[in-house]
Amino acid sequence: DTGVSQNPRHKITKRGQNVTFRCDPISEHNRLYWYRQTLGQGPEFLTYFQNEAQLEKSRLLSDRFSAERPKGSFSTLEIQRTEQGDSAMYLCASTDQNTGELFFGEGSRLTVL
Amino acid sequence: GQQVMQIPQYQHVQEGEDFTTYCNSSTTLSNIQWYKQRPGGHPVFLIQLVKSGEVKKQKRLTFQFGEAKKNSSLHITATQTTDVGTYFCAGWLIQGAQKLVFGQGTRLTINP
Repeated sequence: DTGVSQNPRHKITKRGQNVTFRCDPISEHNRLYWYRQTLGQGPEFLTYFQNEAQLEKSRLLSDRFSAERPKGSFSTLEIQRTEQGDSAMYLCASTDQNTGELFFGEGSRLTVL
Repeated sequence: GQQVMQIPQYQHVQEGEDFTTYCNSSTTLSNIQWYKQRPGGHPVFLIQLVKSGEVKKQKRLTFQFGEAKKNSSLHITATQTTDVGTYFCAGWLIQGAQKLVFGQGTRLTINP
């Protein structure tokens, strides 16, 4: 499968714990995006990378959130000291900047108890 | 805050009826995209519109981009049960960084 891969698909954690999600984009795509989606809402932009450089981070993102893309390939999104309000679907997408079409992964669903 | 707005939030139709969702941006967009998300699925790209006043068709789906590049619409003719899902518009902002801003979506349900 050459699509965008995300894991884990589901994560249930207790408040205060740290969680990390991984995204493997389509290999030839140089741009990688993280979005968050809650029920009944559209995907909300979190951050994006061009190759290994993180070029923008949403102001909505607190300092508990950090993302990396160390070699310009896969990316990780870490949430520290999780809160119940962090419960959501975390979507990763990649694109070839020439087309602009985003290819989304299946998402990682986080539930914070 | 939300820069791309969609209406209606929900739409329920009888199979065979038409459906339209509207998208409005507070700022001029460089281009606009439409995505479909099936229940339990992830957003899947449908189309991109770039030019002012552009109209594109995909079988029963017609997409329009406004003259001012601030609004767009998706019209489905003679809906089928396979059209069920949430339709999102998403705009690339002209100013600022290269991020795609999504509307909140229109959820379409169909009575067979």
